[in-house]
This record gives sequence, C-alpha cells and structure tokens, in this order.
Amino acid sequence: GAVVSQHPSRVICKSGTSVKIECRSLDFQATTMFWYRQFPKQSLMLMATSNEGSKATYEQGVEKDKFLINHASLTLSTLTVTSAHPEDSSFYICSAIFPDSPNQPQHFGDGTRLSIL
Amino acid sequence: GQQLNQSPQSMFIQEGEDVSMNCTSSSIFNTWLWYKQDPGEGPVLLIALYKAGELTSNGRLTAQFGITRKDSFLNISASIPSDVGIYFCAGPDSWGKLQFGAGTQVVVTP
Repeated sequence: GAVVSQHPSRVICKSGTSVKIECRSLDFQATTMFWYRQFPKQSLMLMATSNEGSKATYEQGVEKDKFLINHASLTLSTLTVTSAHPEDSSFYICSAIFPDSPNQPQHFGDGTRLSIL
Repeated sequence: GQQLNQSPQSMFIQEGEDVSMNCTSSSIFNTWLWYKQDPGEGPVLLIALYKAGELTSNGRLTAQFGITRKDSFLNISASIPSDVGIYFCAGPDSWGKLQFGAGTQVVVTP
C-alpha cells in the first residue's frame, strides 16, 4: 500500500493565487522529504529537500520565496506556491525515506497536478 | 553532476513480447533503482539494487546492477497491457540526491 500521501491531487486556480500542497508519510516518521516538479514528457526535477525542524534546502534556480516549504512535523511537509502564474503549472511530486535506513529508496506520493489559468 | 543516460526513449511492443531497457552513467552509483510511473501518478518503486553484479527479480521484472556500477538494465518478460507506462532508472548521487534517467515510454498493443 501507499506509504506517502499527497493532497490535493489536482488544483485549478486563477493566476495570483497561492496554492498549498501537503505531503504526509503514512505510518512512519520522515525527517527528510523531497519535492519534485515534472513537466510533460520530462523526468522528475528535484526542487528542494525538506528537513523537519529546519529550513529547506533548495536546488539551484528554485526560488525559495516562490516555493515555500514547511516541515513542522515528522509526518507532514507542505509546499506553497505563492502568487502562482501559468508558468508554474506542472506536476508536483513529493517523496520520503524511511528513517534510520541508509540507502533506502525514496517512496513517492501520487503527485499534484497544478494548473494556473 | 552525475547523469544517467537511459535508453530507449520509447518502445512500442505487442502483448507477450519481452522488453529491455538500460541506463548508463559516467560515474559510479552505489544504488540503482527502477521506478514505473503511470499517467497522472507518482513513480512506484519496482526494484532496488545495492550490490555490483546483483540480479534481482520481481515477478516478470528482472534488473541487474552492472559490475562496474555504472550501468543497469531492466527486463520485462511476457508484457501485458498494464505494463504501459514510463519506466525510470534512478540513483542517489554523492550528496544523496536522487538522479533520474530521462525515462522509457512503454506502449503495449494487444
């Protein structure tokens, strides 16, 4: 069964709206979660690493003020796309790793399709 | 950074045929992962490889971790319609960040 839950699965909103996406680890505590973005017919691109209790680490070229990440608990990380514009439309996916398991693979949520009109 | 070169980009096969895809890298990876992504969903882990030369099966799927640790292949035997999707190879780089191949689109026709 699923080990990572992501919500919502789809969002359609007007330009200028801020959108929050939730990523939850199910039945385990995830000190680290990851946020990816995927454009059509492309692979996953890492946006940031979300660390529980500390600031997220952003990849080069990703605006931290645009994509706010909060990891306030061991089972929940949120990504807020602030003042979203059409170019932010994409498929956003989170992932988590089981704790205390070095080299364990990342498990992904089902993704959030964001469409900005 | 480390890059994964995945091929082929797409495959159109008939039901019952076998499928093979591979990934190569110019750098060594200590772990190779194979994921499948269905349309509109997140990637699902198929097989994880941790040792050079390791050959692992998961049902009709078989994957191998190359001895040089710079390549891996995934085979799907006797394909069925539900095998349709995009298959990605992936591996953690030296900073622990997951690097992905470009993906292989598999289309299975009845």
